[in-house]
Order: sequence, then structure tokens, then C-alpha cells
Amino acid sequence: AQKITQTQPGMFVQEKEAVTLDCTYDTSDQSYGLFWYKQPSSGEMIFLIYQGSYDEQNATEGRYSLNFQKARKSANLVISASQLGDSAMYFCAMREGTAGGFKTIFGAGTRLFVKA
Amino acid sequence: GAGVSQSPSNKVTEKGKDVELRCDPISGHTALYWYRQSLGQGLEFLIYFQGNSAPDKSGLPSDRFSAERTGGSVSTLTIQRTQQEDSAVYLCASSLLGHSYEQYFGPGTRLTVT
Repeated sequence: AQKITQTQPGMFVQEKEAVTLDCTYDTSDQSYGLFWYKQPSSGEMIFLIYQGSYDEQNATEGRYSLNFQKARKSANLVISASQLGDSAMYFCAMREGTAGGFKTIFGAGTRLFVKA
Repeated sequence: GAGVSQSPSNKVTEKGKDVELRCDPISGHTALYWYRQSLGQGLEFLIYFQGNSAPDKSGLPSDRFSAERTGGSVSTLTIQRTQQEDSAVYLCASSLLGHSYEQYFGPGTRLTVT
């Protein structure tokens, strides 16, 4: 069963505008972590932001924020004031498990195009 | 400090040959992951090592794929009797143990099976 779902294969946004990338997840664990990574055309994977399942506040890191809605099992990434350098693939990931193992799985990704 | 390194960066092999891909994680990272990424696609989980525990092999696509991690550090992913569909970028990542620690990725090995 698909545990991480990113329903937007591609998104366009105008430079300087905000964009939301969707991510829903499925888990029966109470304790888990949610991550977003960016993969530019160079191929490197860049960590952006983390949200813990027990965190009451939405995570923020500079222009990135995570809109965490636990009951809906969604963890959408919001990028404010988009820049041309934000054009990349974005992956949502979930780490679940206990001390016996912390497997991390990724969604299929969303390709973001920022228009000048 | 040094990041995650992988070797080789590129590997071209003939169908039916065996290949070994190497990953050197960040020192002190007890968790190590292998993923496969086909062109323009997401990351497909292959295998996960944590310390001295038995690895989670649930993502290995066939018995031609195997991996080991020696001394809790370096890991080798072996693909036997390679097929053209094995062509992809193989990414290794390491992290500290726990829900909140992000993964640090290596640059990947691009495997091409001709």
C-alpha cells in the first residue's frame, strides 16, 4: 500500500509567489517524522524541513513551512516568495517505527517549475 | 566533516554481469539506507541497516539484489546477473537513529546496463 502520496506530478508558480506542494501519508504508528527534500537537476538530495508527529506547531525554516494536519494525515510544504532556484523535484518522506527500526520511505515527488 | 561518499560514480556494465556499489556513510551514523531512482522518478526503498540489527530487506526487488554492511560502517550493494531494467541511480543515505534525524545522501552511482 502506498504510504506517502504526492498527487501533483508537476506544478508551476510565478516567481515571488507562494506555492503549496501536497503530501498525504498513511501510518498506524503514533510516533513518526515527516521530512521534505529538494532535488535540483544536479541530483543531490537537500534536506529542507522536518515535522514530528507530536509537534503542535507547524515547522518553519526560512521560506519553507510545513502545514501539518495530523487528523487528515497531510504534511504540505509551503514555499513563500518563490525564486528561480526553487525549480526542482520535491520529495515528501516519512520515518516510522520504534527503536527496533526507523525505516524512511519517500513519495513519488513533485516537480516544481518557477516562472520568471 | 566528510559527507556520504559512493563509488563508483558511474558504472556501465553488460547484461548478465555482476556489479558492486559501495557506500561510505558519515562516521557515527548508525542507520544506512539504499534507494534506487529511475530517471525522473521517485526514490524506491531497497534496504535499511541499523547498527547490528538484522537489516530490513523488504524493498529488494529480487534475489539478484543483496547488500551487506561491514563493521557497522561501509556498505556494499551487489546486483547479480544485471538486467537492463536495473539501470538507475543508486542512492545511499545515512542518519543518526531516531524519528527526527534527517538523512544525508551520497551523490549516487549511475548504473547503466547495456
